[in-house]
Amino acid sequence: EPEVTQTPSHQVTQMGQEVILRCVPISNHLYFYWYRQILGQKVEFLVSFYNNEISEKSEIFDDQFSVERPDGSNFTLKIRSTKLEDSAMYFCASSEEHPYSNQPQHFGDGTRLSIL
Amino acid sequence: GQNIDQPTEMTATEGAIVQINCTYQTSGFNGLFWYQQHAGEAPTFLSYNVLDGLEEKGRFSSFLSRSKGYSYLLLKELQMKDSASYLCAVRDASGGSYIPTFGRGTSLIVHP
Repeated sequence: EPEVTQTPSHQVTQMGQEVILRCVPISNHLYFYWYRQILGQKVEFLVSFYNNEISEKSEIFDDQFSVERPDGSNFTLKIRSTKLEDSAMYFCASSEEHPYSNQPQHFGDGTRLSIL
Repeated sequence: GQNIDQPTEMTATEGAIVQINCTYQTSGFNGLFWYQQHAGEAPTFLSYNVLDGLEEKGRFSSFLSRSKGYSYLLLKELQMKDSASYLCAVRDASGGSYIPTFGRGTSLIVHP
């Protein structure tokens, strides 16, 4: 069964450094998402992406964050100047249809980001 | 925005039945999802309800009452591998968003 893949599985970065999290969505999916989950807390939406542009973003997704689809397969999340509170599990997800539909989002296994 | 409430933790015995409740408050309800999340892993989709009633899928069933702002996930014939967090996610389209909001999840512990 096709799956969303994320790399790396664990990223350790010094505060203030830039980090790029990478995702390969399921190949025939058109809608892509980033979520984060701080340890012990709920899954929080960051951003959705369709047709090479951001379609929706949350209050968490401020100017420190950016997303890109640099080629036909990768979808990346960049955090420009990391803060301690950015430490979390970051999940990439994709869906075949518009999020308005009943089709679920398929999640990757996540990247655990640890900021020191 | 939504206010989604689930019990924090539940325990049950292998082979038993457990019901995990989710209540929500929205002004533009447009669907409710249940996901399973094992510790340190990705959420995986279990069920979707948008109309009132029961959706059955194998050992798992999900029920929705839109008038009461209430859903439950029913797990039958519990197995040890069902120990996980169960996430209720609600879509509220009133503000133009199509993205479901997740509750904090219910941690289910299945013991022998």
